[in-house]
Amino acid sequence: GAGVSQSPSNKVTEKGKDVELRCDPISGHTALYWYRQSLGQGLEFLIYFQGNSAPDKSGLPSDRFSAERTGGSVSTLTIQRTQQEDSAVYLCASSLARGETQYFGPGTRLLVL
Amino acid sequence: KQEVTQIPAALSVPEGENLVLNCSFTDSAIYNLQWFRQDPGKGLTSLLLIQSSQREQTSGRLNASLDKSSGRSTLYIAASQPGDSATYLCAGMWQAGTALIFGKGTTLSVSS
Repeated sequence: GAGVSQSPSNKVTEKGKDVELRCDPISGHTALYWYRQSLGQGLEFLIYFQGNSAPDKSGLPSDRFSAERTGGSVSTLTIQRTQQEDSAVYLCASSLARGETQYFGPGTRLLVL
Repeated sequence: KQEVTQIPAALSVPEGENLVLNCSFTDSAIYNLQWFRQDPGKGLTSLLLIQSSQREQTSGRLNASLDKSSGRSTLYIAASQPGDSATYLCAGMWQAGTALIFGKGTTLSVSS
């Protein structure tokens, strides 16, 4: 079946603009995670959804970052007033239930000029 | 604070060699550990997941082990091929539903 999909695959934006990143998890997967991968930093956790609720937002780096999930499916990660340090690959993962194998999407490569 | 470390950062081997990738972690109360492969410019592909109650998992030429008491996991790749060239990441989870904590990865290069 279809895997995790993310859009856009690449996004170039100017500093100060808002961006929205989308994640479509595998159908039926209740858990959804956002991570960020930047050079030299490795993979960092941002936020976890169980259904439409976010029990763990501890990885969001600032209040410019927010995320929501609707219908227990699609999730969007919004970054307001982007900064150059937000440049990274944003990865989404889903799992059938919490604690099970996480399957990752191809990522959105964000470049803030 | 849980941390995951992978050493070495890079490894080069000739085709056909059996090899072991290492992953160490702090806090032996790990819930599960997952190994991933990442090709350049791509997302992560899940290879194996080992639950805390398990000692090892196998998939094809891959075998992953977990030793909680020593805080170590290994990924064994048998008869390596050039197509195995990629970055291999290990990641631990310490409570169901919490975030995976990743190592920085080992970049493997298999030459023909």
